[in-house]
Amino acid sequence: GDSVTQMEGPVTLSEEAFLTINCTYTATGYPSLFWYVQYPGEGLQLLLKATKADDKGSNKGFEATYRKETTSFHLEKGSVQVSDSAVYFCALSGGSQGNLIFGKGTKLSVKP
Amino acid sequence: DAGITQSPRHKVTETGTPVTLRCHQTENHRYMYWYRQDPGHGLRLIHYSYGVKDTDKGEVSDGYSVSRSKTEDFLLTLESATSSQTSVYFCAISKNGQGPYEQYFGPGTRLTVT
Repeated sequence: GDSVTQMEGPVTLSEEAFLTINCTYTATGYPSLFWYVQYPGEGLQLLLKATKADDKGSNKGFEATYRKETTSFHLEKGSVQVSDSAVYFCALSGGSQGNLIFGKGTKLSVKP
Repeated sequence: DAGITQSPRHKVTETGTPVTLRCHQTENHRYMYWYRQDPGHGLRLIHYSYGVKDTDKGEVSDGYSVSRSKTEDFLLTLESATSSQTSVYFCAISKNGQGPYEQYFGPGTRLTVT
């Protein structure tokens, strides 16, 4: 079945460092891809999305490109801030019930 | 913000007792979802609803039931709670006209079954 694999965390970076969180997927058909972010004590928020191959989603300085040839959707940010500390989830639109299929999440901690 | 609230926000209960969690939305969206979040598993779909009295099972529905008698409320019931149901439960909606995969989540309910 469809699945998402993302890099194990936690990831600890210094402020202004470059961030990459890897995400690869397995899916039949042509899913849409998403990154969600969960700040401490809160629910998930949609961060960005891409609906077809070669699309780039972007928001709040984060970017991810839908790469069909490598089945990847890696999250990047050029300069992280302490406020970016959160858990990041990669997800795809693969569920037969119209649900999202999530990766296990990657915890990011940014130190000042 | 999609106006989603969940109640209670925290609950501790004993094994074998029934528990009902409530999800309330203020914007009359058709699709609503219940997920559970566990370390090492991400989020997994329990049940979902596509309208009043229209519900269906998700990936991990055993031990759970749901009801939706009004558009704004989606209830999740654990008929007889077990320790394996200790988790954080999230309700989500997808907005009318936006497609089912852009979902907006409530703040979560932390349930502990002792």
